[in-house]
Amino acid sequence: QVQLQESGPGLVKPSETLSLTCIVSGGSIISRYWSWIRQPPGKGLEWIGSIYDDGSTNYNPSLESRVTLSVDTSKNQLSLKLKSVTAADTAMYYCARDDLESGWNFDLWGRGTLVTVSS
Amino acid sequence: DIQMTQSPSSVSASIGDRVTITCRTSQGISSWLAWYQQKPGKAPNLLIYTASSLQSGVPSRFSGSGSGTHFTLTISSLQPEDFATYFCQQTNSLPLTFGGGTKVEIK
Repeated sequence: QVQLQESGPGLVKPSETLSLTCIVSGGSIISRYWSWIRQPPGKGLEWIGSIYDDGSTNYNPSLESRVTLSVDTSKNQLSLKLKSVTAADTAMYYCARDDLESGWNFDLWGRGTLVTVSS
Repeated sequence: DIQMTQSPSSVSASIGDRVTITCRTSQGISSWLAWYQQKPGKAPNLLIYTASSLQSGVPSRFSGSGSGTHFTLTISSLQPEDFATYFCQQTNSLPLTFGGGTKVEIK
């Protein structure tokens, strides 16, 4: 069964770049859309953006100037980079599988990785 | 962006109670709405899609209804494992957006 696992540094300094990866295991990354979603502690969910296996992307306009999503199909791996981070970027970051057959839902999620922005 | 407003923000209920959560959108989205359940320390889990379709494996006590700008999630008989936070999400257009969440607590 397909599983997603996020990883990355738990602590990032202000103004630096946050870099996360998501490994997709038990299934192929091909022919699917994949998203990154974040959740500040005790708050709601924010969609960051999505990527297809050919590298085409859709970004949330609120983050578009700072975020880059990429995909490595040979490694079944997704990546997120968010530059110029501030304390407001402190959040749990999730990767998720998009289901476009019935809207644009997220039918499978990773466990998430907590990123704290602090000096 | 489509704004999502959930109400109430929290609800206290007892085992066996019927619980209804409302989600309103800032513009019509037909039936393009999903509901998720999130337990503490866990990722969200898809419950309902296209407003009323039950995701595989989700108990039948969960149901969704609505269209346009007004949607509801109903738990017909609350069980101990249902105490969690519930989020709605519009799946109609980008950027995808979520409601603020409704925490279902034990009374």
